Amino acid sequence: GQNIDQPTEMTATEGAIVQINCTYQTSGFNGLFWYQQHAGEAPTFLSYNVLDGLEEKGRFSSFLSRSKGYSYLLLKELQMKDSASYLCAVSGNTPLVFGKGTRLSVIA
Amino acid sequence: EAQVTQNPRYLITVTGKKLTVTCSQNMNHEYMSWYRQDPGLGLRQIYYSMNVEVTDKGDVPEGYKVSRKEKRNFPLILESPSPNQTSLYFCASSFNYGYTFGSGTRLTVV
Repeated sequence: GQNIDQPTEMTATEGAIVQINCTYQTSGFNGLFWYQQHAGEAPTFLSYNVLDGLEEKGRFSSFLSRSKGYSYLLLKELQMKDSASYLCAVSGNTPLVFGKGTRLSVIA
Repeated sequence: EAQVTQNPRYLITVTGKKLTVTCSQNMNHEYMSWYRQDPGLGLRQIYYSMNVEVTDKGDVPEGYKVSRKEKRNFPLILESPSPNQTSLYFCASSFNYGYTFGSGTRLTVV
């Protein structure tokens, strides 16, 4: 089976850096995804990691360690519009499975 | 524009009245999936389809049916809706990796 854990909620200050962690246990591994979801809206794709290491895309970076079953999403220069839920999802021998999401609140 | 289109966006219905939520994608994706999202439970997969005429149960299939007669369409059918099916529903499609989601359908069953 697959199990994905991430913190339920986090709060960070505008302009700061925040790291959202995700640990997973899967049967097989084909990649790890991060999605952003604003309340009541559809998730939107942020990043994809299949090899160990850091993938950087503007203010957002995602890291993967397959041996540790661990990933994090790093958000820099936080803006108020970054207040949203961040979903970690893993593709293994079964279709994409999502964690329950981390609700990030950015405060002034 | 590449997209997944779900209809309706909002629906209020009564217990036991059959309904269908439509999902259509214009990207020629083989893989399509339905999720429901509830507070504190995250996205849970209902059914998925690897290709035309191939469908499989996800984690929470009870009370739902799907069909995949053509590649672009993947409707979700609730034969006899019950209040515990009140939820936010998302359809998604995928080619190699990463999902494209529809805008969601907020269903209320009273």
